[in-house]
Amino acid sequence: GDSVTQMEGPVTLSEEAFLTINCTYTATGYPSLFWYVQYPGEGLQLLLKATKADDKGSNKGFEATYRKETTSFHLEKGSVQVSDSAVYFCALSEGADGLTFGKGTHLIIQP
Amino acid sequence: DTAVSQTPKYLVTQMGNDKSIKCEQNLGHDTMYWYKQDSKKFLKIMFSYNNKELIINETVPNRFSPKSPDKAHLNLHINSLELGDSAVYFCASSHTSTSGGNEQFFGPGTRLTVL
Repeated sequence: GDSVTQMEGPVTLSEEAFLTINCTYTATGYPSLFWYVQYPGEGLQLLLKATKADDKGSNKGFEATYRKETTSFHLEKGSVQVSDSAVYFCALSEGADGLTFGKGTHLIIQP
Repeated sequence: DTAVSQTPKYLVTQMGNDKSIKCEQNLGHDTMYWYKQDSKKFLKIMFSYNNKELIINETVPNRFSPKSPDKAHLNLHINSLELGDSAVYFCASSHTSTSGGNEQFFGPGTRLTVL
């Protein structure tokens, strides 16, 4: 079956540091890829997505590129802020299936 | 004008009880989902409904039964609650997609605690 693997953390960075959260996937077909973010006490919000190889999703300074050859969708941000502290989930979906999530990465940004 | 709403937000109950969680979406979506998030934050899909019909039913005990009275609602009934059912349950909705690229919108979650 499909699966998503991501670094679990917690990942602790100083404000304005560069962020990378690695995500790799296994899928039987050609999935769409997503990053969702969960702020404390809230539901999940879509951060960005990519639906085909070499697509780059971007939002709020975050970026991720769909790499079919390495089955990866790493999340990056050039300069993180304290307000970026949250749990980040990499996910995939195929067809009408629901989302398959990674285990989430807890990001802590210190001032 | 909340997009996906769930009630209640918190639910504390005794083992063996039967409880329900309600979900409503006002986005005009035709597919709705239930996810379970455990204490380690791991999210796993439980059910998916499209136009009131069950599409996905992952390996979930049959004590859990989803009910969809119409396209905008997907309720989750849980019978004979067990300690291991304690988790946060999220409802979500999306437009139907054959390619899987549609965004799912999530509700705020219901934290269920079984004592």
